[in-house]
This record gives sequence, C-alpha cells and structure tokens, in this order.
Amino acid sequence: AQSVAQPEDQVNVAEGNPLTVKCTYSVSGNPYLFWYVQYPNRGLQFLLKYITGDNLVKGSYGFEAEFNKSQTSFHLKKPSALVSDSALYFCAVRDDGAGRRALTFGSGTRLQVQP
Amino acid sequence: GAGVSQSPSNKVTEKGKDVELRCDPISGHTALYWYRQSLGQGLEFLIYFQGNSAPDKSGLPSDRFSAERTGGSVSTLTIQRTQQEDSAVYLCASSSTSGSIVEQYFGPGTRLTVT
Repeated sequence: AQSVAQPEDQVNVAEGNPLTVKCTYSVSGNPYLFWYVQYPNRGLQFLLKYITGDNLVKGSYGFEAEFNKSQTSFHLKKPSALVSDSALYFCAVRDDGAGRRALTFGSGTRLQVQP
Repeated sequence: GAGVSQSPSNKVTEKGKDVELRCDPISGHTALYWYRQSLGQGLEFLIYFQGNSAPDKSGLPSDRFSAERTGGSVSTLTIQRTQQEDSAVYLCASSSTSGSIVEQYFGPGTRLTVT
C-alpha cells in the first residue's frame, strides 16, 4: 500500500521569505513523487517530480523539492515566496512496483503568502 | 494544444437521480484517471484506464459508480441513485503512458451537488 501525509493544513509565510511545504510518504518499493498545485476553481497543475537521480528536483515557478529517503520525505521549497504562490498544494506518490498506477495524494496544504 | 476538458462544469441533481460526467483527455494520451475531491479532502482515486487493458476499478466507492472509455478517448463516469455524500468535485486526468513515469494532466473538474 502507498500513502502520503501532509502534516500541515495551512502554511503562512510573508512575501519574500522562504517557504517549505512538508510531505512524507510510505511505499513498499521505490517511490515516484510528485507535487501539484491547485488554484481556486482550476484543475491541478504539475509542479515537479522525483523519479530517480539527484535528490534535489527543480520544477516550475521557481519551486524545488528535496527527496530524503532516510526520512521518507519530499518537502516542497521555494527560496522567496510570492503572493501569487498562494494556492493549495498536493503531494502525491506512486510505488514503482506492479501495483496501482494511479497516484495517491495527500490531503493538501494551503499556502498563504502575505504581502 | 487543448488540455483535458470536462463537462458539465457544475451539476446539481436531486438525491436518487443518475448523473453522467464526461471527460475528454488530451489527444494521444493513452492513460485516463478519475479522482474525487471532497471539500477539505485530498484527491481520492476512483478508476484508471490504460489503452485496451481492463480498467483498474479498485477505487470506486460502491457499485453505484461506473465508468467507461469509448474508443480509447472520451470517458464517462456514471453515478446511479446519487446520494448526498456523492457531492464533490470530480477530476479527470490523462497521461501519455503509464509505462514510464510521466505527469498527469488534470481537467478543471465537475462540481457535483446532490440536494
């Protein structure tokens, strides 16, 4: 079975400050990890993914995420937050085994960037 | 090019009625997914289609839910005898293949309200 935990329902950060949105996962094999963002009344948009290779993954809009196998984490980061980054962020995981091909999503973290 | 489209964008129905939700995936995408997003919740996997293979229906919550994909393209999710707990946003996603690890592209969703 695969699962994802996003421990924070909401993260508040001031514009210009660094931000971190936390994600931990559980899979039986090796993980494929994704971050998606959802703006109000819109579908989810892909931000970045980790499949293999470098633990630091760079994605869209200046976001990056760090894969940490020992801590089973894949936290989303950005060095300098923008007000326009305010949205709902979802972490998702898939096992590399022969099981379900669909993603398992976390419950989401609402990011609020204050001007 | 065109993204994933879904119709209707909003649907209000009375308890006990049947509803059909439509998804048009990105042209050429062989994998299609349905998810459900309830208020304040993450995304719940419902069903997955890959080419001509038998669909993965393991996420369907009850036998009132069914889905089909005609000609490997358009998909319809049908909910029979709707209940108030079926109220949610239903999201469709497609990807070019599930054999490699590619991101899913999401449609804007159908907001279903059962009164």
